[in-house]
Amino acid sequence: AQTVTQSQPEMSVQEAETVTLSCTYDTSESDYYLFWYKQPPSRQMILVIRQEAYKQQNATENRFSVNFQKAAKSFSLKISDSQLGDAAMYFCAPPGLSAPLNNAGNMLTFGGGTRLMVKP
Amino acid sequence: SAVISQKPSRDICQRGTSLTIQCQVDSQVTMMFWYRQQPGQSLTLIATANQGSEATYESGFVIDKFPISRPNLTFSTLTVSNMSPEDSSIYLCSVPDPNEQFFGPGTRLTVL
Repeated sequence: AQTVTQSQPEMSVQEAETVTLSCTYDTSESDYYLFWYKQPPSRQMILVIRQEAYKQQNATENRFSVNFQKAAKSFSLKISDSQLGDAAMYFCAPPGLSAPLNNAGNMLTFGGGTRLMVKP
Repeated sequence: SAVISQKPSRDICQRGTSLTIQCQVDSQVTMMFWYRQQPGQSLTLIATANQGSEATYESGFVIDKFPISRPNLTFSTLTVSNMSPEDSSIYLCSVPDPNEQFFGPGTRLTVL
């Protein structure tokens, strides 16, 4: 069964500082996608960053980057130069069961989430 | 990218009643997902709805409690039947794309 663990229920960061959110998962697949989603108080789910498991290079999207360790099944999110607008719930999401590489849109399995607070 | 709308955005219902949530997508999609997010919790997949076939439910969810319709490629409904306070949650629909999943804004349901 697919499991996703976010070991930090809450994190706090000072504005302009850097914070890392952790995520570990279990899968029997060799090729898959991994996602980080953000959910602000508006409850809209917003894609932050995506990583293809077959790529060795870590994905980067402006201030957001990942540290993907495939063998360790670890997928952490680093937020640099934190801004007040980054305050939200962050969910790690590897694909659910039966997720071939060419179908990143298969159902996702979400971690428990990490609530990020940004202090001014 | 897909733009998804949901109706209603929120509702307060009495126990024992039913509520139907609508999900409208601005493009044709074969597959749609329905998720539940209980207060302070993560998202849990309820079912996968494919147009032209019966919805596939995840463990712990049954059709009698959460009937789903998928009449065409841009629309789906989820009904929460015979509600109890434990059904108070945010319900979200989503559609897959080759590169990500797009989510609707969610329906916040409170059952008294």
